[in-house]
Amino acid sequence: QSALTQPASVSGSPGQSITISCTGTSSDVGGYNYVSWYQQHPGKAPKLMIYDVSNRPSGVSNRFSGSKSGNTASLTISGLQAEDEADYYCSSYTSRSTGVFGGGTKLTVL
Amino acid sequence: QVQLQQWGAGLLKPSETLSLTCAVYGGSFSGYYWSWVRQPPGKGLEWIGQINHSGNTNYNPSLKSRVTISVDTSKNQFSLNLRSVTAADTAVYYCARGASSGAMKYWGQGTLVTVSS
Repeated sequence: QSALTQPASVSGSPGQSITISCTGTSSDVGGYNYVSWYQQHPGKAPKLMIYDVSNRPSGVSNRFSGSKSGNTASLTISGLQAEDEADYYCSSYTSRSTGVFGGGTKLTVL
Repeated sequence: QVQLQQWGAGLLKPSETLSLTCAVYGGSFSGYYWSWVRQPPGKGLEWIGQINHSGNTNYNPSLKSRVTISVDTSKNQFSLNLRSVTAADTAVYYCARGASSGAMKYWGQGTLVTVSS
């Protein structure tokens, strides 16, 4: 299975909004509403930010939102803050009943 | 409060078997998928596989021939075995609790496994 495609890096200024895309195929992202997004700070375990395309776990800021169109899912972070600077990974359920991650996107807050 | 605590050997020689165990504290053990994910130094996350409380497993096709994930429900633990390791298997290995959709909310602390002769 091939990794989902994410941009290597994105950046934004405090207070701005950014969007990270995650492109797969009809066998993963496009076929199921089972896309998750994770935030990872250096040296830390990933943290679940969005599940099932657009749902936020309790405790996650409503500045984080998710969506999907066709084979591409997106994570939007509004009102950027310094602590949002991290790596972000998307993940999807696949037709083989397995999981697959994206390559990761490094978010820089300018 | 759900907590996952993992342990295992951190230094292996090529051709040896990687063995890690993850203990689950708090919450129900049934109804979830218990997963392993790894991350080579400076690289992205890779999904290794998962098991449910009944012992049903799913593996990454690229690792399937070398991986075994098992569960011990009496101890609320699950384990990862990866055979015939090479330097390419050097990574931080994480255990995690996943939903049926694959979303992983609770993670272990990670274990760095280095394969070197």
